[in-house]
Amino acid sequence: DAGVTQSPTHLIKTRGQHVTLRCSPISGHKSVSWYQQVLGQGPQFIFQYYEKEERGRGNFPDRFSARQFPNYSSELNVNALLLGDSALYLCASSLGLAGEETQYFGPGTRLLVL
Amino acid sequence: GESVGLHLPTLSVQEGDNSIINCAYSNSASDYFIWYKQESGKGPQFIIDIRSNMDKRQGQRVTVLLNKTVKHLSLQIAATQPGDSAVYFCAENRGTGGFKTIFGAGTRLFVKA
Repeated sequence: DAGVTQSPTHLIKTRGQHVTLRCSPISGHKSVSWYQQVLGQGPQFIFQYYEKEERGRGNFPDRFSARQFPNYSSELNVNALLLGDSALYLCASSLGLAGEETQYFGPGTRLLVL
Repeated sequence: GESVGLHLPTLSVQEGDNSIINCAYSNSASDYFIWYKQESGKGPQFIIDIRSNMDKRQGQRVTVLLNKTVKHLSLQIAATQPGDSAVYFCAENRGTGGFKTIFGAGTRLFVKA
């Protein structure tokens, strides 16, 4: 069975641009969470979506937004990119809410902002 | 602010020895804790979890201990192998004010042959 998949694997953008990252959860999983991992640090929670509704939000500016589609896949959008947005963006899926179920992570999208 | 922290940034052990990785958390209302292993260039991999109504849980070569009195979590790896070399994160799940998963900074485990 396929695990969590993310696209693209790598991305280079310049400051001020916009980026869209995509995630497909494990089949049957209804929850998707997004994390930002800066080099040398632990993942920082951005959003959790369950059944297409936002169920949790971390301390990130409004430039970060996300949505979940009827097939439970998800997109993370970041507007007005800053150099500090360079990081590994991880997606995780779970059967139910991430606070109650095991999360399984994808390989991540590495974003570099120049 | 509240955080999940780790006591040691790096840990070096001899192959075959047992490893113990520690973690402190600050929110006594948290009820679900997870240990993840992350190898270079990969996403975190689930190792073992424990809920707040338990003190100990065992898996294959791994044991997680939860001490709610002092808000401390530990991961024990028996007979550590070179393939165990990675960064280990503890994570805390909080349901108040919307669900959040809070990760610690990580401990890098080096296994010496």
